[in-house]
Amino acid sequence: QQKVQQSPESLIVPEGAMTSLNCTFSDSASQYFAWYRQHSGKAPKALMSIFSNGEKEEGRFTIHLNKASLHFSLHIRDSQPSDSALYLCAVRQGGRALIFGTGTTVSVSP
Amino acid sequence: EAAVTQSPRNKVTVTGGNVTLSCRQTNSHNYMYWYRQDTGHGLRLIHYSYGAGNLQIGDVPDGYKATRTTQEDFFLLLELASPSQTSLYFCASSDAGLGGYAEQFFGPGTRLTVL
Repeated sequence: QQKVQQSPESLIVPEGAMTSLNCTFSDSASQYFAWYRQHSGKAPKALMSIFSNGEKEEGRFTIHLNKASLHFSLHIRDSQPSDSALYLCAVRQGGRALIFGTGTTVSVSP
Repeated sequence: EAAVTQSPRNKVTVTGGNVTLSCRQTNSHNYMYWYRQDTGHGLRLIHYSYGAGNLQIGDVPDGYKATRTTQEDFFLLLELASPSQTSLYFCASSDAGLGGYAEQFFGPGTRLTVL
C-alpha cells in the first residue's frame, strides 16, 4: 500500500522567510500530487497540484516534483502569519482516492 | 465554490451506541469521501463512492458502514461505536476532473466522542 510521509512534523518560521515542506511517497506509478492547507478548526482546502516532474509556481507558492526520488515539496516565499496552518500532502493511488500524509504544522512568527 | 455540509457538527455517544453522520454536497459532484482525522495520522480514508448506490472501501474501513443514497447524500454509520472511533470526521466531494484528477472539497467536519 502507498505510504506518504511528511517532514518536518512542525516548524516555526519568522515572518518574511521561506517555508519549505517535504513529502515522500512509495509508489513510483503515482500520477497526481497535491498540497492541502488546514487552518486551525477549519476544513482542509486545496492549495496546489502537479502532475509531471518539475516545478509549478502560483503566487508565493511553488511545488517541486521529482518522481525518480519519490519526493515532492512545497515552498512558501515571504511567509505570513496567515500561512500558519497544518499542511497536508496527498498522492493519488488509483481511482479517485487520495492518500494523505500526516501533516506538517507551520507557525509563522511576526 | 463547492458546498459540502455535515451534520451533526458535534456528537457524543456511549460505547455500543449507533451513530449516523450525514454529508450533503450541492455541486453535482460524482465522487464523495469519508475521512477521519487524528493527531499524528493525518487524514485517513474510510469509504468513498463514485455515485448513488456505489461504495468503495478505503484504508480504515473496520467498524464503519457507508451508504450513498443520492448524488448529493453520503452517510457514515457506526453500528457499535467504540472509544477508538472518537475522532474528527470529514466528508469531501470532487468531480471527475481531467483524466480523473480533481480537487476535493471538504465539509466543516463532525467531532465524534465515544465514551
